[in-house]
Amino acid sequence: AQSVAQPEDQVNVAEGNPLTVKCTYSVSGNPYLFWYVQYSNRGLQFLLKYITGDNLVKGSYGFEAEFNKSQTSFHLKKPSALVSDSALYFCAVRSGAGSYQLTFGKGTKLSVIP
Amino acid sequence: EAGVAQSPRYKIIEKRQSVAFWCNPISGHATLYWYQQILGQGPKLLIQFQNNGVVDDSQLPKDRFSAERLKGVDSTLKIQPAKLEDSAVYLCASSSGQGVLYEQYFGPGTRLTVT
Repeated sequence: AQSVAQPEDQVNVAEGNPLTVKCTYSVSGNPYLFWYVQYSNRGLQFLLKYITGDNLVKGSYGFEAEFNKSQTSFHLKKPSALVSDSALYFCAVRSGAGSYQLTFGKGTKLSVIP
Repeated sequence: EAGVAQSPRYKIIEKRQSVAFWCNPISGHATLYWYQQILGQGPKLLIQFQNNGVVDDSQLPKDRFSAERLKGVDSTLKIQPAKLEDSAVYLCASSSGQGVLYEQYFGPGTRLTVT
């Protein structure tokens, strides 16, 4: 079975500071990893994904994520946080073998303080 | 390009009543997903359609939940009878294909409260 862990329920960061939202995963076979963002009262929006290749993936709104196979992690990062980045962030994983099912973590609430 | 549409946005029902949700995917998207998102948790896949066929319904509680996509476009998700634990946001998503290269686009969701 595949699973995702987001160890922090909430992350607070000052505007202009770098931010990191943590994600670790467990999956059989090669992992396909995703980050989604959910703003208040809206659906999930795709940020970025890792399929293969370069371990550093760049996505929307200046976000990036680093795939680390040995640590089974896929942390989301941004060099300089904006107040408008405040939202709920979900990490998700899909196995390269078998089911097409996407498994989500429970989410991390990011608050960027002015 | 219009996004994924869902209705209603909010629904309050009493336990043991029935309820239906509707989803209109992005035009041309063959793959459609229904997710259940309970407060404080990530979305959980209930059912995946490819055109009008079911690809995965392994996590759908089939004794009370049903879903259909008769013409391979719109879809409805029904709960009958509802239980208190069905209170959640029901998200519909669509993609142009099933592989990992195909991004899933999510609708705004339907928030269901069962009292």
